Amino acid sequence: AQKVTQAQTEISVVEKEDVTLDCVYETRDTTYYLFWYKQPPSGELVFLIRRNSFDEQNEISGRYSWNFQKSTSSFNFTITASQVVDSAVYFCALSEALGGGGSEKLVFGKGTKLTVNP
Amino acid sequence: DAGVTQSPTHLIKTRGQQVTLRCSPKSGHDTVSWYQQALGQGPQFIFQYYEEEERQRGNFPDRFSGHQFPNYSSELNVNALLLGDSALYLCASIPPGGGYGYTFGSGTRLTVV
Repeated sequence: AQKVTQAQTEISVVEKEDVTLDCVYETRDTTYYLFWYKQPPSGELVFLIRRNSFDEQNEISGRYSWNFQKSTSSFNFTITASQVVDSAVYFCALSEALGGGGSEKLVFGKGTKLTVNP
Repeated sequence: DAGVTQSPTHLIKTRGQQVTLRCSPKSGHDTVSWYQQALGQGPQFIFQYYEEEERQRGNFPDRFSGHQFPNYSSELNVNALLLGDSALYLCASIPPGGGYGYTFGSGTRLTVV
C-alpha cells in the first residue's frame, strides 16, 4: 500500500528564514508521481509541483526548491527567505502512474502547518 | 476561466440525515474525484467519476455514493450521517489524459451535530 509521512506537524519560523518540509513515501510501484500542495485558510489545495519517479533532478522555482531522493524515498520541499504569505498547510502526496498518469488517486500525508512570523 | 466550483460552502446536518454536495469541474475537465479531509488530517480519496461511472473507490462505506452528469458535474451523497462524517469535502477535476491537471475546489465544510 502507498503511504506518505510528513513527520513535522507544525513549524514556526521568522520571516526571511529558510525552511525545509520533509516528506517520506512508501510504494511498491516502480512508476509513480509525487506532488506538493499548499492549503491556505481558504481550504483550496494549490498545486505546487509534480515529479515523476524517473526524474530525480532537483527543481527550483523562485524561492521554492524540491529535493527528490529515490534512495531514501524522500521528496523534501525548501522555501528560501520565507515570507508571511507562505503561512499555510503544506501537503505531500503520491499517486501511482497508470496509462498516461496523473488521473489516479492521490495519497496524502497529514500535512505540515507552516507559520511565518513577521 | 472558472476553476472548480463547489456548493454549498458550509452545511450543518443532524446525525442520521442525508446530504448532497455538488461540484462543477473546471472547463474542459472530464474527470472528478472527491476527497474527505478531517480536521488536522490530509485529504482521503473517496471515489472518482469518469464518463458518468465510478472508476475508482477508496476505503469508504456504501453510505457514500456519487453521480456524474453528462456535463461532467458531480454530486457526492452521504446517507445516515454520523458525527465522524464532519469534514471538509474537496472536489478535484482532472482534464482528459490527466497529467498535471488536478484542480481542487475550496470544498464544502460539513458539520454533523
